[in-house]
Amino acid sequence: QVLLQQWGAGLLKPSETLSLTCAVYGGSFSGYYWSWVRQTPGKGLEWIGEINHIGSTNFNPSLKSRATISVDTFKKQFSLKLTSVTAADTAVYFCARAGGSILFDYWGQGVEVTVSS
Amino acid sequence: AIQMTQSPSSLSASVGDRVTITCRASQAIGYDLGWYQQKPGKAPKLLIYATSSLQSGVPSRFSGGGSGTDFTLTISSLQAEDFATYFCLQHYNHPYIFGQGTNLEIK
Repeated sequence: QVLLQQWGAGLLKPSETLSLTCAVYGGSFSGYYWSWVRQTPGKGLEWIGEINHIGSTNFNPSLKSRATISVDTFKKQFSLKLTSVTAADTAVYFCARAGGSILFDYWGQGVEVTVSS
Repeated sequence: AIQMTQSPSSLSASVGDRVTITCRASQAIGYDLGWYQQKPGKAPKLLIYATSSLQSGVPSRFSGGGSGTDFTLTISSLQAEDFATYFCLQHYNHPYIFGQGTNLEIK
């Protein structure tokens, strides 16, 4: 059984950097892409970006290069950093697994991030 | 980016009803579409991948169809546990785009 467990700071001030980490337990880490997805009441679900075990990444251009994703294959963890946050980045952030034609079959529990002065 | 238009945005139905939710892509995406169910406070759950393949453990009353630009999720006989929000996702190319969601409510 595969389990994704995520953590990170839940309250940020505008202009700070959001930092979240997702650990993968069980299953293979290589052979998949590992994504970050966020959800807001207003915009729904938004794919942020993804990384594989060798560090190849893809991002949503809507984040305007503010997002970076890194991987620690030894620890089976991947991390998201989002710089210069504003209130618009307030959301629940999820990590998820993607492999081939099966996208997001496993998800983290979600972390609620609030950006407020 | 590809746009996904999901309809209806909300739907009221009764236990035992057959319901269909649709997603339309702004360009052809082959069969690269998935469907997810989400309940309040929980992560989405994969129901259907590659347009019509049932994810392991998902009841057979869920089915998906379509190709190109038009896709459907059908629940053949609604059960009480099916009342939730449903999303489609295109993964034909980056950025992956979700539909806006369909809130399925009890009539």
